Amino acid sequence: DAKTTQPPSMDCAEGRAANLPCNHSTISGNEYVYWYRQIHSQGPQYIIHGLKNNETNEMASLIITEDRKSSTLILPHATLRDTAVYYCIVRASGNTPLVFGKGTRLSVIA
Amino acid sequence: DTGVSQNPRHKITKRGQNVTFRCDPISEHNRLYWYRQTLGQGPEFLTYFQNEAQLEKSRLLSDRFSAERPKGSFSTLEIQRTEQGDSAMYLCASSWWENEAFFGQGTRLTVV
Repeated sequence: DAKTTQPPSMDCAEGRAANLPCNHSTISGNEYVYWYRQIHSQGPQYIIHGLKNNETNEMASLIITEDRKSSTLILPHATLRDTAVYYCIVRASGNTPLVFGKGTRLSVIA
Repeated sequence: DTGVSQNPRHKITKRGQNVTFRCDPISEHNRLYWYRQTLGQGPEFLTYFQNEAQLEKSRLLSDRFSAERPKGSFSTLEIQRTEQGDSAMYLCASSWWENEAFFGQGTRLTVV
């Protein structure tokens, strides 16, 4: 799998948008970008994924650059419950499992 | 469906003992994954099944580790002759083909 690079930690004020960056400069054409998060003492939780186009669901938006070498996960109105470690994962379709890095620890501050 | 269920949630064992963990995936999911997570690290892939077939094993899965999914439903992960370095959270996840994976709460193993 292509390697991803994320900042180790970020802070965000409650109610503001949280923008979490991810670099994946060696991504291949058939590899998707996945985002998961892990709240303390829980298993990881799927957030969103995409290939080329920007994606939005009830949890977040995913913005992928045109060259696909980087992406940004956007939580539009962060709450204290969004405090978690966020993992950006690049994964080919088919039989490959998810490979996690260290992620970004997001702290939402009141 | 209650999601992915793992038992036990916590296990304390003495070094050298064998332990077995169980994972019950979401019922219609054909893929099941095992991961290990130590403090401050992301989950590390161990192995995965498609139905009852074990399709991939990580180099992390030493010969003391064995996983089964005999009927393509629940899975067990056994660690023989536990060592202190085996202390970690063991996570199970399931998915329908390569769709998004759903994780359980994990089993926290402490080897003393």
